[in-house]
Amino acid sequence: GAGVSQTPSNKVTEKGKYVELRCDPISGHTALYWYRQSLGQGPEFLIYFQGTGAADDSGLPNDRFFAVRPEGSVSTLKIQRTERGDSAVYLCASSLGGGLGAFFGQGTRLTVV
Amino acid sequence: AQRVTQPEKLLSVFKGAPVELKCNYSYSGSPELFWYVQYSRQRLQLLLRHISRESIKGFTADLNKGETSFHLKKPFAQEEDSAMYYCALSGRTQNGNKLVFGAGTILRVKS
Repeated sequence: GAGVSQTPSNKVTEKGKYVELRCDPISGHTALYWYRQSLGQGPEFLIYFQGTGAADDSGLPNDRFFAVRPEGSVSTLKIQRTERGDSAVYLCASSLGGGLGAFFGQGTRLTVV
Repeated sequence: AQRVTQPEKLLSVFKGAPVELKCNYSYSGSPELFWYVQYSRQRLQLLLRHISRESIKGFTADLNKGETSFHLKKPFAQEEDSAMYYCALSGRTQNGNKLVFGAGTILRVKS
């Protein structure tokens, strides 16, 4: 596709379960970002990939959160032992480079019940 | 550390009135600044970049390094401008370019 695609668009899970959120960036974009957005807040930075490596993971809230991008394209955000406070919209974005801005997916709305 | 501050949660103006959405940043190096917009039920999208010095949908923004500001302006607001606006900063670190966002400002244009 032409844009950033995120799947699933909605995910409801029980507290304590494991979830995976997928991001398909725009083809050729080397930079990939994950953000978390709660109601009424701006996107909160989680992690940034440059190619296959996590260039900056300083935004991951704790060790329950982990992300991979093994081939430098698709990325998966993994959350273990989910908590109700993890409920939010998780956004993915990709970019060719810093000064060019980033293009966002539609987000995955995660609800932990 | 990179930080973006948008002091107003909500800005309400009448159609045809000028608009200024404030953005201040904190960054020790040379930043790259952006404005993003999110219309109702749509994804976040890039509105403009400071390096392009462009005008998009009548909006402009000038980087003022002395005041560390990047305010978004439009001389005559239109109802279709109603949306959430986010200011963002990309700062080069040793690991690449990290993009951080402000909390956003809701713009409501009343008829």
